[in-house]
Amino acid sequence: QQPVQSPQAVILREGEDAVINCSSSKALYSVHWYRQKHGEAPVFLMILLKGGEQKGHDKISASFNEKKQQSSLYLTASQLSYSGTYFCGTETRWGKLQFGAGTQVVVTP
Amino acid sequence: NAGVTQTPKFQVLKTGQSMTLQCAQDMNHEYMSWYRQDPGMGLRLIHYSVGAGITDQGEVPNGYNVSRSTTEDFPLRLLSAAPSQTSVYFCASSPGTSGSLLTGELFFGEGSRLTVL
Repeated sequence: QQPVQSPQAVILREGEDAVINCSSSKALYSVHWYRQKHGEAPVFLMILLKGGEQKGHDKISASFNEKKQQSSLYLTASQLSYSGTYFCGTETRWGKLQFGAGTQVVVTP
Repeated sequence: NAGVTQTPKFQVLKTGQSMTLQCAQDMNHEYMSWYRQDPGMGLRLIHYSVGAGITDQGEVPNGYNVSRSTTEDFPLRLLSAAPSQTSVYFCASSPGTSGSLLTGELFFGEGSRLTVL
């Protein structure tokens, strides 16, 4: 079952903050976050592992609540380059990484 | 390194035809997977493999077959194409698998756009 992302879309002005949420009905092994620009392949942002380890970009932060099977991605002081569609992926079984429907982010000047 | 290479980039099929989407990676990654992307539905997992000789079904496996005879290659076969299989297909690989979970990022190919008439 795909994880559920919210909101579906968000419009920001440069410098504003946003939070994208991701929830699953199943226990999670890991949570992945990717950003995709139109016509391109998804690009890795962050991975959060069961047990607390995180790997990702310095300017992107995320949280992972294992008990609630939820993760949030924090876009801080947004830049124009942050525009794109953000996907969370949840691993519910070794290697079975399923993505949500995506959150479209538009950052305006 | 070429990374993850998908061929062909574009393909038009008629209903009922079969074809194979090729995926090759030169990074010696154990993990590989196939996704399809349709508007408004995100990336949906078709099949995945945690190592050579091992494959498993994702959330939308019907109408597709895979095999993983080598670490480098993970072809996706459409048995009898249907218009519902019109989509953009992405292959991905990952270096990080600890034996119980994915610990590394996915590297995606550029995608293959398939149209079934």
